[in-house]
Amino acid sequence: AQSVTQLGSHVSVSEGALVLLRCNYSSSVPPYLFWYVQYPNQGLQLLLKYTSAATLVKGINGFEAEFKKSETSFHLTKPSAHMSDAAEYFCAVNQAGTALIFGKGTTLSVSS
Amino acid sequence: NAGVMQNPRHLVRRRGQEARLRCSPMKGHSHVYWYRQLPEEGLKFMVYLQKENIIDESGMPKERFSAEFPKEGPSILRIQQVVRGDSAAYFCASSPADRGALNTEAFFGQGTRLTVV
Repeated sequence: AQSVTQLGSHVSVSEGALVLLRCNYSSSVPPYLFWYVQYPNQGLQLLLKYTSAATLVKGINGFEAEFKKSETSFHLTKPSAHMSDAAEYFCAVNQAGTALIFGKGTTLSVSS
Repeated sequence: NAGVMQNPRHLVRRRGQEARLRCSPMKGHSHVYWYRQLPEEGLKFMVYLQKENIIDESGMPKERFSAEFPKEGPSILRIQQVVRGDSAAYFCASSPADRGALNTEAFFGQGTRLTVV
């Protein structure tokens, strides 16, 4: 079965600092990977998705993620954090014939 | 094009009552998924439905929980005889009819927050 692991349930950065949220997947076949963001009391919004067209994927709000097959990783980054980036972030993998499987999430805090 | 609509947004039930959560997928979407979110546990897949069919219910508790997606109307997640442990946020997501490509994302509603008192 496919799965994702998000390392670090909480990440804290200063405004303007680099954001790095880690995601590793396990899959016996090429995976389809996604990052979602959830703001308090809201649903999930798609940030970006890996479609195999390019290993570096650019998403909304300045986020990007790089697919590294050798490391089975799909880490999310943003060069400069903004206060509005404070939210919970979920990595997900698509499992054939069924639904998205999510990691446990990483809460990002941004301090001024 | 309205997004995925869930109602109610908040639901309070006493132990032993029934909870009915509704989800209207985006227009043109015929795949519906239900997830449950508990603090510190992320989103847990519950059930995947297409119109009038349950495709995968491997994440559904064996008792008290049921789901349907009728030909007409919204998808319903029903929890009978609720207990305090059922308190959680329940999210519905939908995806387009043509889901042959696995890189198709799901679109989420804003969730129903169930509180059992």
